[in-house]
Amino acid sequence: AQSVAQPEDQVNVAEGNPLTVKCTYSVSGNPYLFWYVQYPNRGLQFLLKYITGDNLVKGSYGFEAEFNKSQTSFHLKKPSALVSDSALYFCAVRDKEGSYIPTFGRGTSLIVHP
Amino acid sequence: NAGVTQTPKFQVLKTGQSMTLQCAQDMNHEYMSWYRQDPGMGLRLIHYSVGAGITDQGEVPNGYNVSRSTTEDFPLRLLSAAPSQTSVYFCASSYSTSKDTQYFGPGTRLTVL
Repeated sequence: AQSVAQPEDQVNVAEGNPLTVKCTYSVSGNPYLFWYVQYPNRGLQFLLKYITGDNLVKGSYGFEAEFNKSQTSFHLKKPSALVSDSALYFCAVRDKEGSYIPTFGRGTSLIVHP
Repeated sequence: NAGVTQTPKFQVLKTGQSMTLQCAQDMNHEYMSWYRQDPGMGLRLIHYSVGAGITDQGEVPNGYNVSRSTTEDFPLRLLSAAPSQTSVYFCASSYSTSKDTQYFGPGTRLTVL
């Protein structure tokens, strides 16, 4: 079985400040981890993914995420938030040795204040 | 490439009516899936397909049918719409390995009165 938790429904941050959106996961084997972003009235767009190798993954729009196996986490980060980063963010996991059906978290709404 | 396309963008139905939500992709992806998105519920998988002629149920399949006669198309049918099916529906596709990224369509906003 696999699962994803996004413990915060909403994250508020001031423009220019660093942001973190949290994600923890559970899988039987090794994980493939993904972050997607959804802007209002749009479909989900891929941001970044961890497959193997370097624990720090860099993605689109200046976002990065750190894979931490011991804490089973894959938090999304950005050094300096922009108002345009305001959106809904989804973490997803697939078990490398299991089904290729992903499990999505419930989503975290990021609000960046000017 | 057009990517993943969905029609219609918006639809209003009366209880008991039927309709088909269309989904097509031009990336030769084997894996296609349908999700519904409801406030506070995240994305829930309705049905998925790993290739033409093969479909399977996801987390919330009741009230929905699918078929996959071609690689490109994966329509979702509501046989008798209910107000509980009011939601935003997303189609997604990917290659079939676990590490592949999913590509999502723009969504269909469905209201059932």
